[in-house]
Amino acid sequence: KQEVTQIPAALSVPEGENLVLNCSFTDSAIYNLQWFRQDPGKGLTSLLLIQSSQREQTSGRLNASLDKSSGRSTLYIAASQPGDSATYLCAGTYQAGTALIFGKGTTLSVSS
Amino acid sequence: GAVVSQHPSRVICKSGTSVKIECRSLDFQATTMFWYRQFPKQSLMLMATSNEGSKATYEQGVEKDKFLINHASLTLSTLTVTSAHPEDSSFYICSAKGGQETQYFGPGTRLLVL
Repeated sequence: KQEVTQIPAALSVPEGENLVLNCSFTDSAIYNLQWFRQDPGKGLTSLLLIQSSQREQTSGRLNASLDKSSGRSTLYIAASQPGDSATYLCAGTYQAGTALIFGKGTTLSVSS
Repeated sequence: GAVVSQHPSRVICKSGTSVKIECRSLDFQATTMFWYRQFPKQSLMLMATSNEGSKATYEQGVEKDKFLINHASLTLSTLTVTSAHPEDSSFYICSAKGGQETQYFGPGTRLLVL
């Protein structure tokens, strides 16, 4: 069964700290990988999409990498801010056009 | 980016009633729509995949007679929760995919069954 695991489940950091969120998948034959942000009681905001031929994507203070051989992805957040507090979800597809398989998320709290 | 809407955003209903949730792609044609469900503190779990003009494909453990999915046009898919019970209370999110690989998510519908 294809599963996505995210570690840690929760993380608290002071403002300004750089941090890394981890995502691993049981089947390394991942096709696309996507990171989302979810605020409490809200829908999903897509942060970064790493397509099958790519290894890394960057947007502002966010950087996501994908290592298919090890079955891992990381989301790096630089200079964290209180507004970054949310749950971050990692999700992957294994074939073009198929649904995303989600991890349970990492809930981030950034204190000022 | 492309926009997907869901309606209603929140619904409260009595046990035994049916609830219909709409998912619309506003500025693109969605050949495929996915329906997910998210219980509190849990991740999103795929319920079914819906292709325009054909029957939905349900994931194992999802009752197709209870969760009716219709994808009659390239911009609209509906999920009807029939004879809803309190255990169906959840956050239902749809996503839509057009010609490219990116899936665009709706804002979700929170269902509470009393």
